Amino acid sequence: TQLLEQSPQFLSIQEGENLTVYCNSSSVFSSLQWYRQEPGEGPVLLVTVVTGGEVKKLKRLTFQFGDARKDSSLHITAAQPGDTGLYLCAGMNSGYSTLTFGKGTMLLVSP
Amino acid sequence: DTEVTQTPKHLVMGMTNKKSLKCEQHMGHRAMYWYKQKAKKPPELMFVYSYEKLSINESVPSRFSPECPNSSLLNLHLHALQPEDSALYLCASSQGIRTGGVHGYTFGSGTRLTVV
Repeated sequence: TQLLEQSPQFLSIQEGENLTVYCNSSSVFSSLQWYRQEPGEGPVLLVTVVTGGEVKKLKRLTFQFGDARKDSSLHITAAQPGDTGLYLCAGMNSGYSTLTFGKGTMLLVSP
Repeated sequence: DTEVTQTPKHLVMGMTNKKSLKCEQHMGHRAMYWYKQKAKKPPELMFVYSYEKLSINESVPSRFSPECPNSSLLNLHLHALQPEDSALYLCASSQGIRTGGVHGYTFGSGTRLTVV
């Protein structure tokens, strides 16, 4: 079983602060995805990273895939209350056909 | 249409009841999934369908019975559930099992199930 460890598990910050969420594994993934989930809703795909070292930006969100494709990070600049939610990383190994989800990081951004 | 629609949104059932959860997508996706999510936990995979055939069953108890009548519909039949089965049940779809890792999954909003 491949495991994805996310840190921190919970983060409470003020509007305007920056933050980074980490997703780590001892396994290599062919791709890694980040989702955001709001209470009572399903996860929504934010980004997929495929190439080691790849960096993708989505407005104030920056995603990076580690060179060895074992880890990833999500950096949010100038967080806003609308960024509040559960952030989940999920990896897919080429030998499998399903995603493995990390335990998630619950982000609370206060005005 | 870029959505996965799940019905009902909320369901309360007794331990002797039989009920069904429904999931529908019209994106032409050929892989569909059922996930179970407990509070403050990540989604846990239950079943995977590929081209309307059951591809993966993650050792789910037989009181959960999936069905894929056609490429757009996925059902989850429930019978004799236990209170610990109370959770958010999520349906998802992807273009294919392999391409799901590149293009991602589209999740529905889920069915909040309470077993009393």
